[in-house]
Amino acid sequence: NAGVTQTPKFQVLKTGQSMTLQCAQDMNHEYMSWYRQDPGMGLRLIHYSVGAGITDQGEVPNGYNVSRSTTEDFPLRLLSAAPSQTSVYFCASSYDTVYEKLFFGSGTQLSVL
Amino acid sequence: DQQVKQNSPSLSVQEGRISILNCDYTNSMFDYFLWYKKYPAEGPTFLISISSIKDKNEDGRFTVFLNKSAKHLSLHIVPSQPGDSAVYFCAATNQGAQKLVFGQGTRLTINP
Repeated sequence: NAGVTQTPKFQVLKTGQSMTLQCAQDMNHEYMSWYRQDPGMGLRLIHYSVGAGITDQGEVPNGYNVSRSTTEDFPLRLLSAAPSQTSVYFCASSYDTVYEKLFFGSGTQLSVL
Repeated sequence: DQQVKQNSPSLSVQEGRISILNCDYTNSMFDYFLWYKKYPAEGPTFLISISSIKDKNEDGRFTVFLNKSAKHLSLHIVPSQPGDSAVYFCAATNQGAQKLVFGQGTRLTINP
């Protein structure tokens, strides 16, 4: 049972490049979300999804795009990377809602030069 | 506007003693609170939670206390062990929000 799998673990981008951070879970969870962790800021919600075909914005959605075509996958797209998007990104899922515990992936460390 | 605040970036405690981590919130609509623990190079893991209808919840060495009038919660770890050294995040949500709001985190170091 793999849980929540994020790829890649590390990525370096140049300003203006685009890329997709992958997230997959094998627990049949309906709720999935993306967070970024920055020093002194804690974890901030970027986007979330309550089921296939349904997504919504979190606290810091600008510059990011998501889609949820299957229950298992929830990719995060950076449209045109900026240095301010240098961060550690975590994908998380739960069975139904945030009232249940979230299972987090191990994170993607992204640097934008 | 930081709705959930952990004002102590770090805390150092001797092994065997009590660790107390604090968290304050400003949104009176929050009705469910959680603590997550994070080791370096890993994702956070769920530790313990409490509903606003309770003022205390225990799970082994971990107890969370909620003071709704003060909008304050705390996590007590007794006795503290070296494996408890990690960053602890408190988080809050409310009915229908589908969003967790996290604090900044407190780095706990347990000294032998």
